[in-house]
Amino acid sequence: SQQGEEDPQALSIQEGENATMNCSYKTSINNLQWYRQNSGRGLVHLILIRSNEREKHSGRLRVTLDTSKKSSSLLITASRAADTASYFCATVPYNFNKFYFGSGTKLNVKP
Amino acid sequence: GAVVSQHPSRVICKSGTSVKIECRSLDFQATTMFWYRQFPKKSLMLMATSNEGSKATYEQGVEKDKFLINHASLTLSTLTVTSAHPEDSSFYICSARYMTDMNTEAFFGQGTRLTVV
Repeated sequence: SQQGEEDPQALSIQEGENATMNCSYKTSINNLQWYRQNSGRGLVHLILIRSNEREKHSGRLRVTLDTSKKSSSLLITASRAADTASYFCATVPYNFNKFYFGSGTKLNVKP
Repeated sequence: GAVVSQHPSRVICKSGTSVKIECRSLDFQATTMFWYRQFPKKSLMLMATSNEGSKATYEQGVEKDKFLINHASLTLSTLTVTSAHPEDSSFYICSARYMTDMNTEAFFGQGTRLTVV
C-alpha cells in the first residue's frame, strides 16, 4: 500500500467475540482514521484519532494510536454478523491534505 | 454524514475509447476531492488530489494524460480515463472533504466499476 500495512489480512471470528486489527504507517501524521468498506461499495468513516491522542472510543469501537511505533489498532467489541466488512486505516500525513490507506483487514463475523 | 454521489456505478467500454466518471458532493462544498483506484481484494491507491479551481496533484506513477481530473466547482469533480485499455479495468472511488482543518473526515462515493473490453 502507499502508506502502510494492516494485519491480519483476514480475520474470522464468532459473533460476540472481539476483533482486533492493527495498522502500521510510514510517515508523521496529523491524524489517523478508520474506515469500513462493504464488498464492492464505497467507504464509511468510523473514527478519527488525532496525533496527540492515544485512545478513543465510539460505541463498540476502541482505537489506540502509538506515534512512536507508528501504529494503531482498532478493536470492535461484541462483534455482530453485520460487522462483516473490510476495514482500512487511513493516514493524513502531517501538513498534507491527503489520505493514504493501509492494506486493509477483511473481517468475517460468523453468526 | 454528508453524501457523495458517484456516477456511473458500472461502465463497460471498448478499448481506445474514453470514459468519464462524475463525483458530486450533494450537501456540502468539497474544497478537496480525491480519486482512488482499487484492485480486487486490495487497498485503495490514491491517484490524485484536486482542489476546486486548480490543477490536480497526481501521485507518483499516475499518468496525468491518461487520467484527466477536473474539479470545476465545489460540488463536482470528474475523472476521465482516456484511450482506455483492458489494464485500466478497476474499481474507481472518489471522496470529498470540506477542509476546515486537517482533522476532518472524507466522504466517499459508492465507486465505479470500469471494465474495458
